[in-house]
Amino acid sequence: DIQMTQSPSSLSASVGDRVTITCRASQSISSYLNWYQQKPGKAPKLLIYAASTLQSGVPSRFSVSGSGTDFALTITTLQPEDFATYYCQQSYSTPLTFGQGTKVEIK
Amino acid sequence: EVQLLESGGGLVQPGGSLRLSCEASGFTFSSYAMSWVRQAPGKGLEWVSGIASSGGTTYYSDSVKGRFTISRDNSKNTLYLQMNSLRAEETAVYYCAKGGGIIAAELNLWGQGTLVTVSS
Repeated sequence: DIQMTQSPSSLSASVGDRVTITCRASQSISSYLNWYQQKPGKAPKLLIYAASTLQSGVPSRFSVSGSGTDFALTITTLQPEDFATYYCQQSYSTPLTFGQGTKVEIK
Repeated sequence: EVQLLESGGGLVQPGGSLRLSCEASGFTFSSYAMSWVRQAPGKGLEWVSGIASSGGTTYYSDSVKGRFTISRDNSKNTLYLQMNSLRAEETAVYYCAKGGGIIAAELNLWGQGTLVTVSS
């Protein structure tokens, strides 16, 4: 199975800050990397798929980079609605696997 | 409206069984692979099982293989998860999620989840 490791597990930031979350795969997954946002009590929501394609309606302050084993999600100007938990997920092979999540909290 | 609606969760004793359902609407259900993903209280996401659009291919995580069965009825736009020999550590919110043309794909639509509590 492909292991996905996110860092940090949590971070505190202020509105307007730039934040970056990293995700590392235990083997190359090419660009088969997806990012989800989850708010408390809600289902996850797909933000980005195929490593770099923003889902419809996702604001452009979300950007991504990486391929192979190392990926990053950056929120350039943090907004109040961005405080949530973010998960990476590989879709290179089954079983699909998720990172452990990164909780973005208000400082 | 494009949506997934899970049902069937509840309280079950360890060793018991439960069948979850997920009704799809607003899209051509039979064209997409589907998955079940669970989330234990305060924990992360864990993919449980997936099924191809035709229902002919299924995949399971090692933790549920042999105890859970995923299936679908494309005539009813419904996905199922039969869960047997349930364990306390499987207490979680279970989500159904729509994939792409194949099982190994992004999950671009999620249901609201149904809570399964395994406890005596």
